[in-house]
Amino acid sequence: DAGVIQSPRHEVTEMGQEVTLRCKPISGHDYLFWYRQTMMRGLELLIYFNNNVPIDDSGMPEDRFSAKMPNASFSTLKIQPSEPRDSAVYFCASSPDRPNSPLHFGNGTRLTVT
Amino acid sequence: DAKTTQPNSMESNEEEPVHLPCNHSTISGTDYIHWYRQLPSQGPEYVIHGLTSNVNNRMASLAIAEDRKSSTLILHRATLRDAAVYYCILRDYNTNAGKSTFGDGTTLTVKP
Repeated sequence: DAGVIQSPRHEVTEMGQEVTLRCKPISGHDYLFWYRQTMMRGLELLIYFNNNVPIDDSGMPEDRFSAKMPNASFSTLKIQPSEPRDSAVYFCASSPDRPNSPLHFGNGTRLTVT
Repeated sequence: DAKTTQPNSMESNEEEPVHLPCNHSTISGTDYIHWYRQLPSQGPEYVIHGLTSNVNNRMASLAIAEDRKSSTLILHRATLRDAAVYYCILRDYNTNAGKSTFGDGTTLTVKP
């Protein structure tokens, strides 16, 4: 099992550009989570999906952020337009549909918006 | 969501035991207690979890208070590789089973 795979590992973009972050969860996992981590705010839950359906997006900061999960093996987090304050490390995590199961995190995408 | 509180930082000497506390006074009967740790430049990794009884695995032990309002992660012999940020979170298996929010965690420093 390759674990949760995120791409790219690093992204540098200019303010105003569209950014797309990608995530491949572990096969068979029903839950997928997107988190954002900054020094100021720590690890924040942005949105999570169950069986490809968004369940709670209350953590998405504003309309510039959107997330999709077109199938069980792929999810994207898009920022359009990007702003410098979006600079952070974005993590994707997945887990089976049992709350006594652990979350499995990817290695994250470090986003820098200049 | 039930919240957890942890000390901001702790120090330990190498090869000594470490006890990392977590308070979760508003825990519900359907919350599992999970612990994760995050090494520099990596995503959080699972350490251990429990519901009511104490738990042991190859990485650590979890001691859960009888009233479940607090728990302690125990590293029996700290190594330099255990230096990380440790998070205690609650996962509800009843409603909102998926929602898992992290607090600020405890930064563990291990001194040689």
